[in-house]
Amino acid sequence: SQQGEEDPQALSIQEGENATMNCSYKTSINNLQWYRQNSGRGLVHLILIRSNEREKHSGRLRVTLDTSKKSSSLLITASRAADTASYFCATIPDGNTPLVFGKGTRLSVIA
Amino acid sequence: DTAVSQTPKYLVTQMGNDKSIKCEQNLGHDTMYWYKQDSKKFLKIMFSYNNKELIINETVPNRFSPKSPDKAHLNLHINSLELGDSAVYFCASSQADSGYTFGSGTRLTVV
Repeated sequence: SQQGEEDPQALSIQEGENATMNCSYKTSINNLQWYRQNSGRGLVHLILIRSNEREKHSGRLRVTLDTSKKSSSLLITASRAADTASYFCATIPDGNTPLVFGKGTRLSVIA
Repeated sequence: DTAVSQTPKYLVTQMGNDKSIKCEQNLGHDTMYWYKQDSKKFLKIMFSYNNKELIINETVPNRFSPKSPDKAHLNLHINSLELGDSAVYFCASSQADSGYTFGSGTRLTVV
């Protein structure tokens, strides 16, 4: 069953702007992960944030996690045309269950 | 070297046929998965294997049968293919509490 809901479903910005995508989930989690999928390709793991962490950075990516609100956000700073892709949040609910994905946000960065 | 490789990349077949998709990972991961991505890009877990043992079997028709000859391989056999089986199938692997590594996908089209 679906766990995460990304918001917005689609986002279009100019190169150089920041892009923010949000994710909400339903149950308690062990960790939350963000993935990127370019058109016609597989998913690439971007960042993992554990339930006891509040913020994590990786290059131009910043992820926050608010377990009290069951929500996370992914910020991509100084976006580039190459960032155009679908972005998915996914959670590991407590226990041994595999990653459960949200519906994704389609990001278009216009040069 | 490709970390998770799956073959074939494209598969076009007629209804009623039986087909297999192969997956291999060279990362030494203990756990492997099959996900199905539908036309709306929603990713759903199908099966999860840990060290050759089936640990998750979501509600999937029994026409789908995974087989793991060793922990580096997880194949998916589909009997009596139906139009609704058309989708992109992704293999993935993971180790402990880490991000998943996905293959590039197999686009299955049933005609």
